[in-house]
Amino acid sequence: AQSVTQLDSQVPVFEEAPVELRCNYSSSVSVYLFWYVQYPNQGLQLLLKYLSGSTLVESINGFEAEFNKSQTSFHLRKPSVHISDTAEYFCAVSDQGSQGNLIFGKGTKLSVKP
Amino acid sequence: DTGVSQDPRHKITKRGQNVTFRCDPISEHNRLYWYRQTLGQGPEFLTYFQNEAQLEKSRLLSDRFSAERPKGSFSTLEIQRTEQGDSAMYLCASSLVPDGYTFGSGTRLTVV
Repeated sequence: AQSVTQLDSQVPVFEEAPVELRCNYSSSVSVYLFWYVQYPNQGLQLLLKYLSGSTLVESINGFEAEFNKSQTSFHLRKPSVHISDTAEYFCAVSDQGSQGNLIFGKGTKLSVKP
Repeated sequence: DTGVSQDPRHKITKRGQNVTFRCDPISEHNRLYWYRQTLGQGPEFLTYFQNEAQLEKSRLLSDRFSAERPKGSFSTLEIQRTEQGDSAMYLCASSLVPDGYTFGSGTRLTVV
């Protein structure tokens, strides 16, 4: 069965510092990988996704994630965070042959302090 | 198009009552998903529709839960005889293809 582990439940960081949110997955089949962001009292927004091709994927607001098949990881990084990046971030995986249902990690709360 | 809409945003109900939630997906999306998110957890898959057909149901979807998508447009999720353990955020999402989808803002259910 597939599973997703987000190793850090909370990550406090100062503004303009770099950040890495870790995600590891387990699956016996080829997968799609996703990062979603959830702001307080809102639904989830797709941040970026890996489907195939280049293992490095980027979002429009400066986040990037790298698919590492040998490490079964999909860590999310940003070189310089802003206060507005404060949110909860969820890593998710789906089986490429599935109907698209996602398995989510438990989330990482990113707190950016001034 | 304003995205995926869910109604109501909040629902407080007494234990044992029935509740129904509605989801209006993005109009051209044929795939619709329901998830449940409890405090401190990631969303958990409940069920999936392609057009009007319910193609997959999670073991989390007990007999008290039923979902429909008549005519392949909006969907409803009903919970009968609610229990305190049903308190959660219920999220709906829709897509055209199974590679990432748009979530609604969710319905927060509190069972007292």
